[in-house]
Amino acid sequence: DQQVKQNSPSLSVQEGRISILNCDYTNSMFDYFLWYKKYPAEGPTFLISISSIKDKNEDGRFTVFLNKSAKHLSLHIVPSQPGDSAVYFCAAMFNTDKLIFGTGTRLQVFP
Amino acid sequence: DTGVSQDPRHKITKRGQNVTFRCDPISEHNRLYWYRQTLGQGPEFLTYFQNEAQLEKSRLLSDRFSAERPKGSFSTLEIQRTEQGDSAMYLCASSFDRWGLAGGPTDTQYFGPGTRLTVL
Repeated sequence: DQQVKQNSPSLSVQEGRISILNCDYTNSMFDYFLWYKKYPAEGPTFLISISSIKDKNEDGRFTVFLNKSAKHLSLHIVPSQPGDSAVYFCAAMFNTDKLIFGTGTRLQVFP
Repeated sequence: DTGVSQDPRHKITKRGQNVTFRCDPISEHNRLYWYRQTLGQGPEFLTYFQNEAQLEKSRLLSDRFSAERPKGSFSTLEIQRTEQGDSAMYLCASSFDRWGLAGGPTDTQYFGPGTRLTVL
């Protein structure tokens, strides 16, 4: 069973506009959520995280929103840049801190 | 420290052979994790260590897989009698458990570049 879901396999956004990547989860026990970015042939790179006691966390161009009642989180990137083109993974964890990943969304930012 | 390193970066082997991968975590990190990623999927948890103790193993880790972290520093992941289904990217991550609680929360996990295994 897929506990963390990223239903959009790809997203294409124009440079300078906002990119919104979505993630849904099913396990209400998750208490910490993270976003990672991955380039081909590299390991995932940590971007931003949020605790379940918060509903928003911001770091520069990246903002993560958490809606616990809907079991939904989103990553906003604004403004989007060509260097943001990568695969973005949503991940969740609880208790033992092993990460449960979604299947990823490929973001392409075009000029 | 430049981050988590993994060796080799690529490994091609024939079915039935044994392979071993190495991971060197960030030096002050006491937690070390192994994940596996197949095409079109996100990384899947395999196992993790707190110092030298292996605390949890996924059911994905069959008897052909074994992981060690003998001195609480680097770790090795060995796959015996490889099968074509073992072809994947094997990722290592590390983090710092500031509370020293087995199974407790830690800081962010940082990943290495991965070892891509191809079994022919």
